[in-house]
Amino acid sequence: DAGVIQSPRHEVTEMGQEVTLRCKPISGHNSLFWYRQTMMRGLELLIYFNNNVPIDDSGMPEDRFSAKMPNASFSTLKIQPSEPRDSAVYFCASSLDMGFHLYGYTFGSGTRLTVV
Amino acid sequence: EDQVTQSPEALRLQEGESSSLNCSYTVSGLRGLFWYRQDPGKGPEFLFTLYSAGEEKEKERLKATLTKKESFLHITAPKPEDSATYLCAVVVGSYQLTFGKGTKLSVIP
Repeated sequence: DAGVIQSPRHEVTEMGQEVTLRCKPISGHNSLFWYRQTMMRGLELLIYFNNNVPIDDSGMPEDRFSAKMPNASFSTLKIQPSEPRDSAVYFCASSLDMGFHLYGYTFGSGTRLTVV
Repeated sequence: EDQVTQSPEALRLQEGESSSLNCSYTVSGLRGLFWYRQDPGKGPEFLFTLYSAGEEKEKERLKATLTKKESFLHITAPKPEDSATYLCAVVVGSYQLTFGKGTKLSVIP
C-alpha cells in the first residue's frame, strides 16, 4: 500500500490567491482527517470525515477554509483567499473506524504551505 | 479544556544513554493514548496505543507506560536513528485526537 498520498508537497502562493490541497487516503479506510501543524500550536484537527460525510468541522478556522470528500478515495482542502497566517504544514490522515480508531491514524507526508 | 503537555521540549542523549519522555494529560473520559514518531519533513508515524492505567507496550528500544495522569516513553540504549520528535495524543471521544507539542530527541553518536 502506498499509504496516504498528499499533493503538492510544497506550495508557495501570494496572499489572496486560492490554494487547493489534495489527499488520497488508504484504500479501505472510512475516516479521513485534515490537520494543520505549526510551531506555536502543534497539530490541530481541522475537519473529520466519516464515510465521505463531514462529521466535525469545528476546527476549520474561518469561512476561508473549505473541505470536500466527493468519494472514498479523494479529498480536498481549499483556502480562498489565502493569508500569510495560513502558512503551515497541512496533513491528511486516514483510519479504519471500528467504533474506535484502534490503530491510530495513518498520516500523509504533508503539504508545506507558504503564503507570501 | 482537555490538555496534553509533553516534557522536556528537547532532549539530547549520548548513544546508549537511556532516558524517558513524559506526557501528562488532563482530560475527562480518556479512551486511549497514542504515541507517534515524527521525522523532519514527514507525517507522524504511529507507535503505540495504550488504553488503561498500568498498561505497557514495547517496540525495539521503546517502551510506553500509562498511569491515570501521565504516560512515559522509555528509550533504552538509544541509537542515532532514534532521533525524531515524539508526539503523544489522547482520545476523549470516538475519534478526536488531541496532540501534545512533542519532544524533540537528538541522539549523538
